[in-house]
Amino acid sequence: QSVLTQPPSVSAASGQKVTISCSGSSSNIGKNFVSWYQHLPGTAPKLLSYENTKRPSEIPDRFSGSKSGTSATLGITGLQTGDEADYYCGTWDSSLSTYVFGTGTKVTVL
Amino acid sequence: QVQLVQSGVEVEKPGASVKVSCKFSSNTFSTFGVSWVRQAPGQGLEWMGWISGDNGRTKYAQKFQGRVTLSTDTSTTTGYMELRSLRSDDTAVYYCAREYCDRNSCFGGDYWGQGTLVTVSS
Repeated sequence: QSVLTQPPSVSAASGQKVTISCSGSSSNIGKNFVSWYQHLPGTAPKLLSYENTKRPSEIPDRFSGSKSGTSATLGITGLQTGDEADYYCGTWDSSLSTYVFGTGTKVTVL
Repeated sequence: QVQLVQSGVEVEKPGASVKVSCKFSSNTFSTFGVSWVRQAPGQGLEWMGWISGDNGRTKYAQKFQGRVTLSTDTSTTTGYMELRSLRSDDTAVYYCAREYCDRNSCFGGDYWGQGTLVTVSS
């Protein structure tokens, strides 16, 4: 059972915006950096956002990460069919001394 | 360009061991390290542990402590994950990732391997 909670699924029409929440605690999100990953099962996960708000150079600015207190959010604007995938948040948990991933959110483009 | 290339599909019997390799293409092996993450069928991502590419320092998730061994070969910039006493619920896709960790925490993988399917079945 993950210590980071995400909604199981979110959906929106092509071109619209979705936000994915990641709820944690003071031992993980509250004191460590959060990353976000895009994953199609059976393929390599892709890093979308790191250190809460930074973006790898190859990731378009349609993807944005933010963090407030013990929660983090990934926003995706201008939704495209290619964005259909599972999305995971991740951070270090200082109490467990383990990197933890969120429960995962499936994004569907209507 | 950083690339991580993993070894191929493995099929093992319960109680056996499996060793998966992860070859780094870049010279950042000693600056970062290798972490291992798995995904069982229908489940999410699960972090197993990390090993430094410089001095072999390790961090293991408590769940896998004693059953997994991470190692490296710096001459070939390759990381290895060995999992022992395999059970059916170890059936999963195993991924390696380039990850930076300091003494207190890890920061998540930035480049990932393509995954290795390990099936445990009698």
